[in-house]
Amino acid sequence: EIVLTQSPDFQSVTPKEKVTITCRASQSIGINLHWYQQKPDQSPKLLIKYASQSFSGVPSRFSGSGSGTDFTLTINSLEAEDAATYYCHQTSSFPHTFGGGTKVEIK
Amino acid sequence: EVQLVESGGGLVQPGGSLRLSCAASGFTFNSHSMNWVRQAPGKGLEWVSFSDSGSSAKYYADSVQGRFTISRDNAKNSLYLQMNSLRVEDTAVYYCARVRYDGNTKPVVDYWGQGTLVTV
Repeated sequence: EIVLTQSPDFQSVTPKEKVTITCRASQSIGINLHWYQQKPDQSPKLLIKYASQSFSGVPSRFSGSGSGTDFTLTINSLEAEDAATYYCHQTSSFPHTFGGGTKVEIK
Repeated sequence: EVQLVESGGGLVQPGGSLRLSCAASGFTFNSHSMNWVRQAPGKGLEWVSFSDSGSSAKYYADSVQGRFTISRDNAKNSLYLQMNSLRVEDTAVYYCARVRYDGNTKPVVDYWGQGTLVTV
């Protein structure tokens, strides 16, 4: 099973600040890594697919990078509506797995 | 508009069974693989099961292998999860989620339902 380790677990950020979340895979997964945003009492929403491709309708301040074992989600100029928990997800091999999540709080 | 509506959740005793359903609309259901993903209260996401569009390839998390069965009825645009021998640790919101490939060999989950709560 491929283990995804996200860091940090929690981040408290002021509006307009830049946020960087990392996801490390226990073995190479190519670019088969996707990022989701989940707000309280809502289902997850796809932000970034295949490491760096923005999903339709996602604001341009969200971007992703990486390949192999190390990946990054960047939120440029954080907005209040971005308060949420962010998850990485690998689909390189079964069982598919998720990172533990990063909760982003707005100061 | 893609819509996924789960149903069938509820309270069940340990060792009991439950069948979840997911009604899909707004897209060509028989062209998409589908997933079940769950989330225990206050916890993170856990992938549960995958079915390809024709039900020929099915995969399960180790935690549910042998107890849960994924199935689908393409004529009814519906996905199912039969859950047997339920345990306290199966308590979670269960999400139905659509899969796409975008020309890649590996999938991505693009849309999720609102989920249905199972309490064991």
